[in-house]
Amino acid sequence: GAVVSQHPSWVICKSGTSVKIECRSLDFQATTMFWYRQFPKQSLMLMATSNEGSKATYEQGVEKDKFLINHASLTLSTLTVTSAHPEDSSFYICSALRSDRGYNEQFFGPGTRLTVL
Amino acid sequence: ELKVEQNPLFLSMQEGKNYTIYCNYSTTSDRLYWYRQDPGKSLESLFVLLSNGAVKQEGRLMASLDTKARLSTLHITAAVHDLSATYFCAVDRYGGATNKLIFGTGTLLAVQP
Repeated sequence: GAVVSQHPSWVICKSGTSVKIECRSLDFQATTMFWYRQFPKQSLMLMATSNEGSKATYEQGVEKDKFLINHASLTLSTLTVTSAHPEDSSFYICSALRSDRGYNEQFFGPGTRLTVL
Repeated sequence: ELKVEQNPLFLSMQEGKNYTIYCNYSTTSDRLYWYRQDPGKSLESLFVLLSNGAVKQEGRLMASLDTKARLSTLHITAAVHDLSATYFCAVDRYGGATNKLIFGTGTLLAVQP
């Protein structure tokens, strides 16, 4: 199977600081990665699509200046939550799109739990 | 706007029983995905359904897709406690053109001994 890692797995930070989350596809190359957030007992909400070598595309209602995405290589995308506030506390999950088996499938990272104090 | 609804939202069932989770979606799509999520964990891929009439089985779980009815089912046979988790279906927002997934509301399954 395809493996996607995230780092860190959890982070606690003070309000106003910035937090960077890394998403790596370990055994395949991914030109496209996705970032989701999930609130407790709710479903996943797509935040943005991360494209290697180009700008990310954000879903409606997601502030691109607050959630900075960089897809630096075919195996790494980063999400930076800038000037984090308590309402940004959530479970952030990335996925990497695998396209080398005749169909596209997203493989999900283990998630990062962000708590902003 | 694409909507993906699951039914039921919560399911408590006894070990050994059978049950079906339903996933309805509101727009055309020929691919549908099922995932499992354990508490505090991320998503594990269960099934990828790529065409109308697709049926896949793994262990006690079987998933099917009817694109004409815009319906997928996840059938649980002879449930065991290890199947307790939240199950999500997801649909490609633009029928596979963008790979953007819209997730269903989730079904929390609790299998009681």
